[in-house]
Amino acid sequence: SAVISQKPSRDICQRGTSLTIQCQVDSQVTMMFWYRQQPGQSLTLIATANQGSEATYESGFVIDKFPISRPNLTFSTLTVSNMSPEDSSIYLCSVSDRFYEQYFGPGTRLTVT
Amino acid sequence: GENVEQHPSTLSVQEGDSAVIKCTYSDSASNYFPWYKQELGKRPQLIIDIRSNVGEKKDQRIAVTLNKTAKHFSLHITETQPEDSAVYFCAASIQQAGTALIFGKGTTLSVSS
Repeated sequence: SAVISQKPSRDICQRGTSLTIQCQVDSQVTMMFWYRQQPGQSLTLIATANQGSEATYESGFVIDKFPISRPNLTFSTLTVSNMSPEDSSIYLCSVSDRFYEQYFGPGTRLTVT
Repeated sequence: GENVEQHPSTLSVQEGDSAVIKCTYSDSASNYFPWYKQELGKRPQLIIDIRSNVGEKKDQRIAVTLNKTAKHFSLHITETQPEDSAVYFCAASIQQAGTALIFGKGTTLSVSS
């Protein structure tokens, strides 16, 4: 399976600021996804990020709040904008391989104060 | 869109017993059903999956069954061990469309020795 890394691994941010999370994969992948996992909860899909096209957002998530970039087949960023305490969560990127199996990065633990 | 229901939310068993977790899905087009194990503070790990052309799949102590007609699938763990204690998530997606996984709410499995 692909090796996926995320930066930062954790951060504490002030309300109203923005944080950009990076996701790096050691091989080229077509499909990348961003999920949010709130404490003690399941994984909620934020958006699908395919190289060369605009990200597709799920209901309840908007581009102005969670802009995503996908400049190439090994890298993506998710920005959490104008943060509030409700954005405190773990953010995970994942990739789908050619067999459609999906693997997750280690996550970014965000705390907004 | 797809909706995945998972139960029970918590499950406690004695070491050596079997554990069964059940999921139902709503979209009849879904054809890929993975299971993930998430230990505290770690990323979800793919442990087994099943595709809609198969009714059952086994991997050592773990098995998954799929009933397409009833739109439900189950995870079976035999001879449970304390290291099986974790949160388990089921998920569903449509392979060919490259859609993201939609997750159930998770089951916290506790295996006591």
